[in-house]
Amino acid sequence: EPEVTQTPSHQVTQMGQEVILRCVPISNHLYFYWYRQILGQKVEFLVSFYNNEISEKSEIFDDQFSVERPDGSNFTLKIRSTKLEDSAMYFCASMLGLSYEQYFGPGTRLTVT
Amino acid sequence: GNSVTQMEGPVTLSEEAFLTINCTYTATGYPSLFWYVQYPGEGLQLLLKATKADDKGSNKGFEATYRKETTSFHLEKGSVQVSDSAVYFCALSEGNQGGKLIFGQGTELSVKP
Repeated sequence: EPEVTQTPSHQVTQMGQEVILRCVPISNHLYFYWYRQILGQKVEFLVSFYNNEISEKSEIFDDQFSVERPDGSNFTLKIRSTKLEDSAMYFCASMLGLSYEQYFGPGTRLTVT
Repeated sequence: GNSVTQMEGPVTLSEEAFLTINCTYTATGYPSLFWYVQYPGEGLQLLLKATKADDKGSNKGFEATYRKETTSFHLEKGSVQVSDSAVYFCALSEGNQGGKLIFGQGTELSVKP
């Protein structure tokens, strides 16, 4: 069964460093999402991406964040200058169409020290 | 704005006990409602969904009914198994918002033999 994959599973970085979280969505899916979950808190929507552009972003998704689909298979989330409060589990999801199910990856745990 | 509230966990039950996890929502329109499950070390998986009032979603013995009058979508199972131990997330999606999911805080279920 096709699945969404994410790498790395755990990333440790120092405050102020740039990180890139990688996701490979399911190949024929058209909608792509990033969510995050700070330990002990809700899963929060960050950004949605469709037709090679951001379709919606949350207040969390400020200028430090960017997304890219560089080669038609990968979907990346970049944090330019990490802060301690960016420490969280980051989930990628993809969806075939608006009436379909979102499929989630296993997540990347980001730890900012 | 839209939001989802779940009962707090952890919930600990004996095998074959009856499970209810409460979920209520606030939405401006007519959302679709979902239950996702996260097993240890894995991503979120869709458990069941309902797209309109009075719909009942069901899967693997779990059920939830979309109740517009009480803005609720409580998850139930008649007889839980040890393998049901996981974190359960209630979520909603508004049809005109590009599919983004708004999650509750998650409820951890632990089933003891």
